[in-house]
Amino acid sequence: EAGVAQSPRYKIIEKRQSVAFWCNPISGHATLYWYQQILGQGPKLLIQFQNNGVVDDSQLPKDRFSAERLKGVDSTLKIQPAKLEDSAVYLCASRSPTDTQYFGPGTRLTVL
Amino acid sequence: GQQLNQSPQSMFIQEGEDVSMNCTSSSIFNTWLWYKQDPGEGPVLLIALYKAGELTSNGRLTAQFGITRKDSFLNISASIPSDVGIYFCAANSGTYKYIFGTGTRLKVLA
Repeated sequence: EAGVAQSPRYKIIEKRQSVAFWCNPISGHATLYWYQQILGQGPKLLIQFQNNGVVDDSQLPKDRFSAERLKGVDSTLKIQPAKLEDSAVYLCASRSPTDTQYFGPGTRLTVL
Repeated sequence: GQQLNQSPQSMFIQEGEDVSMNCTSSSIFNTWLWYKQDPGEGPVLLIALYKAGELTSNGRLTAQFGITRKDSFLNISASIPSDVGIYFCAANSGTYKYIFGTGTRLKVLA
């Protein structure tokens, strides 16, 4: 079975620019997560979707971050405008019906 | 709030040695997951545990779901250089939201 797909794998932008990340979860997984992982730390949940609805976005900096999952399948995460402290790896994950979470390879964002 | 205390933070071991790491919490969980993350990659699932007391193996890896549902451990037997990486525990209390440990950085000396 195909895993969680993410693109791009790497992105370098200047501060105040915009960036978008894409994720396609494992087929049939209703729950999708976006995490931010700062170097040396564990993943931090940004937003959780159940189908196309938001379950938890309490830690999403909504003044600059937005995410959508319009058709309940793939999802995009956007940052506008980016700040230096947004440099991190952005991980997408999906949850199986047996309560197991699978991660994609991540997008490494560098903000200059 | 809920948090997972993962230890040790880091360890250096000789190739061939056995490794043990654990995660503890004051909260009760329904699911424990163990991941390995290599530099520049996403976490890869190693073992999933769903029942208190469950002991599950995956090759040289063995993990157990603590009877109290508040802890879990991961053992690696006969370590090899490719075991190098960061190991994370994650747990879910049934809300579909996973809590992560702070990671154990493993370095294997050949």
